[in-house]
Amino acid sequence: DVKVTQSSRYLVKRTGEKVFLECVQDMDHENMFWYRQDPGLGLRLIYFSYDVKMKEKGDIPEGYSVSREKKERFSLILESASTNQTSMYLCASNRRRRAVNSPLHFGNGTRLTVT
Amino acid sequence: KQEVTQIPAALSVPEGENLVLNCSFTDSAIYNLQWFRQDPGKGLTSLLLIQSSQREQTSGRLNASLDKSSGRSTLYIAASQPGDSATYLCAVTNYGGATNKLIFGTGTLLAVQP
Repeated sequence: DVKVTQSSRYLVKRTGEKVFLECVQDMDHENMFWYRQDPGLGLRLIYFSYDVKMKEKGDIPEGYSVSREKKERFSLILESASTNQTSMYLCASNRRRRAVNSPLHFGNGTRLTVT
Repeated sequence: KQEVTQIPAALSVPEGENLVLNCSFTDSAIYNLQWFRQDPGKGLTSLLLIQSSQREQTSGRLNASLDKSSGRSTLYIAASQPGDSATYLCAVTNYGGATNKLIFGTGTLLAVQP
């Protein structure tokens, strides 16, 4: 089974801190994604990556950056955390080739609170 | 712009009942449609993926159908159990642009009463 592991289940950070959210997948997937999920707004795509060192902005990239130095690892960075970034963050991955057949696999999420 | 809608937002049924969850989308040019399950405070688990050329997919007590022309999908759950209680989300992958971007509905919260 595909496993997507997010390093922290819960994080509490202060306003202005730099925050790193880490995600690792073990199935050699080319595509990796970061979403945030908020009540009433559903899942919104922040960034995605289709290969090492490649990244594309999603729908809400402002205030975030990403890093993909190795194929299995995709990091989300909050350069200066703000209270409106309090949310559940979900990492996901799937294959790039034959993507039409490749379901998206999610990690268990990181609930970030910024105070 | 693709929009995905799930109605109802919440549903409560007694154990053993068969039920149908609905998903509609506005743009029929899709690669696939996926159904996910999300337990409280957890990530999403992929249940079924239907390619655009397919009409349905089955896994155990779950059956998902796709009607592209009408922009609709249904998830049928047979003989519901309390363990089926969760939020169910559907998502579509559009043709064109970044082909792997999924657009999600806001989900249906299902409660199966013992």
